[in-house]
Amino acid sequence: DTAVSQTPKYLVTQMGNDKSIKCEQNLGHDTMYWYKQDSKKFLKIMFSYNNKELIINETVPNRFSPKSPDKAHLNLHINSLELGDSAVYFCASSQDGLAGGRTDTQYFGPGTRLTVL
Amino acid sequence: GQSLEQPSEVTAVEGAIVQINCTYQTSGFYGLSWYQQHDGGAPTFLSYNALDGLEETGRFSSFLSRSDSYGYLLLQELQMKDSASYFCAVMDSNYQLIWGAGTKLIIKP
Repeated sequence: DTAVSQTPKYLVTQMGNDKSIKCEQNLGHDTMYWYKQDSKKFLKIMFSYNNKELIINETVPNRFSPKSPDKAHLNLHINSLELGDSAVYFCASSQDGLAGGRTDTQYFGPGTRLTVL
Repeated sequence: GQSLEQPSEVTAVEGAIVQINCTYQTSGFYGLSWYQQHDGGAPTFLSYNALDGLEETGRFSSFLSRSDSYGYLLLQELQMKDSASYFCAVMDSNYQLIWGAGTKLIIKP
């Protein structure tokens, strides 16, 4: 069984469209994340979300909105897509540990390659 | 601001040993992690250091010096399959993982 899964794997769409990427984890983790990886391979955290709190990165445009129907799912909705949104988007999850002993290892999904034309 | 510095690219020969360095400047520190990412793949966890010293896992070792805000990943007996990008990441005082820009490891036969 896949630990962290994302759909779709590839997404090609026109500028101005609205699209969603789905993510599911079956690890029982409390925290989930969305990352954007650009062509230069830089991994940028966009959001992290756990049972208690959604943490929004202030540099993320409000066209991006995470939605979590339950703690096993964190979907990413993008409005009014722009050329600069083209990237690979990774979902990840981790199990919060005890302070001082936590590793918070993150488990990544396979990624969604988004191409905006 | 918070930052992690690691070389953008390292080249080594198959069978050799290579060290990838990482220096960090973060608000608080809980630990240094290393992740591996092959082209077209997802990052996968390699190691974690919370305390000073060397952690060994097979051919890979990771070192941390908190007083120097420095760590490294050591890869021994390099194999072609080790060609990948390697990211260091630090957990800061807000339990957020701050990522380096990644080091592309090129291995030549």
